Amino acid sequence: DAGVTQSPTHLIKTRGQQVTLRCSPKSGHDTVSWYQQALGQGPQFIFQYYEEEERQRGNFPDRFSGHQFPNYSSELNVNALLLGDSALYLCASSLVGTSGGPTDTQYFGPGTRLTVL
Amino acid sequence: GDSVTQMEGPVTLSEEAFLTINCTYTATGYPSLFWYVQYPGEGLQLLLKATKADDKGSNKGFEATYRKETTSFHLEKGSVQVSDSAVYFCALSPNYGGATNKLIFGTGTLLAVQP
Repeated sequence: DAGVTQSPTHLIKTRGQQVTLRCSPKSGHDTVSWYQQALGQGPQFIFQYYEEEERQRGNFPDRFSGHQFPNYSSELNVNALLLGDSALYLCASSLVGTSGGPTDTQYFGPGTRLTVL
Repeated sequence: GDSVTQMEGPVTLSEEAFLTINCTYTATGYPSLFWYVQYPGEGLQLLLKATKADDKGSNKGFEATYRKETTSFHLEKGSVQVSDSAVYFCALSPNYGGATNKLIFGTGTLLAVQP
């Protein structure tokens, strides 16, 4: 059973550039969330996608945008990169529960380490 | 707003010692509570969870009890091993009518177990 996969593993960009990170959810999962983990900190919620729509967004600027595809995979895009965007970006997937909302257990991928120079 | 506070590390223990990592939370309503573990260079792995008051989550010798009266979810293990060395994150998922299941994390506690 394939778990959550993310690509690339590492990425180096310069200030002002744009970056796209990719995530494939765990088999059978249909909801994808993205988190930013700065060095030495806990992950911070960026947004969540379900049925190709953004369901909820954390406290991140519009430079952070996303997309979910019909096969449930997802992309995170960050425009106009800042030095402070350097972090580990984590993708997590979960399954819609019987109530119509996602079940509360999220499964995380290994992350993409983004370095902005 | 909702938040999680966990004890600062690092926590350094000898093998076979007893482990406690404290976690308290602030939340509206009845959140679900989690412990995740992060090994060096890896993503997060779910360690255990509890979804309602007095529930006890357990896995791999670790356990934590959802205490609503003290808003706590302390992680314990009776005998740690060197392989338990990692960063441990306490987290909550607010249950706002089930619209999303976003996680709110603490800052993490580094555990170092020495042989």
